[in-house]
Amino acid sequence: AQSVTQPDIHITVSEGASLELRCNYSYGATPYLFWYVQSPGQGLQLLLKYFSGDTLVQGIKGFEAEFKRSQSSFNLRKPSVHWSDAAEYFCAVGGTNQGGKLIFGQGTELSVKP
Amino acid sequence: DAGITQSPRYKITETGRQVTLMCHQTWSHSYMFWYRQDLGHGLRLIYYSAAADITDKGEVPDGYVVSRSKTENFPLTLESATRSQTSVYFCASSDGGEQFFGPGTRLTVL
Repeated sequence: AQSVTQPDIHITVSEGASLELRCNYSYGATPYLFWYVQSPGQGLQLLLKYFSGDTLVQGIKGFEAEFKRSQSSFNLRKPSVHWSDAAEYFCAVGGTNQGGKLIFGQGTELSVKP
Repeated sequence: DAGITQSPRYKITETGRQVTLMCHQTWSHSYMFWYRQDLGHGLRLIYYSAAADITDKGEVPDGYVVSRSKTENFPLTLESATRSQTSVYFCASSDGGEQFFGPGTRLTVL
């Protein structure tokens, strides 16, 4: 079955510290992978995406993610977290046989300590 | 303005009433989606559409009706609202890749 797992429901980091949010997926074909961010009261905004090519992708707001096919993972990283990064983060997977649909993880809520 | 919009942004209604949530996109994307977001459940797909006049059920379609007579519009109707339909509803569109989300409609059913 196709699925996305974000093992961490809630993470707290100190401002200036590095961040890694985990995402594991189960998908039968070559996946399209996405990270979205949702600030309180807002819709989801795309941070970055992977379709093919270089497995390290850069996104907005200083985020990056690395696609590791052997581990079925697409972890999100940021070297130095800012207080404004506090939000909920969703990993999603799709593909050419999905009819445009994405499968979303349950989300990881990030809190940032001053 | 270009993008994806939802209306209303906030709605309070009563049990048994019919409610329609509107979604409009200006990109001419083929695909459109309706999700609901509830604490502890993440995003759940209600209905989606691959093109005008083509719609299909998602994960939680019961109690909802959709239509898509024009590519740019994808209204979601709650035919007889129930308290369990209190939620935040998001519309999204895509051309088959990433989805672009609207700002959401917060619906409260009393």
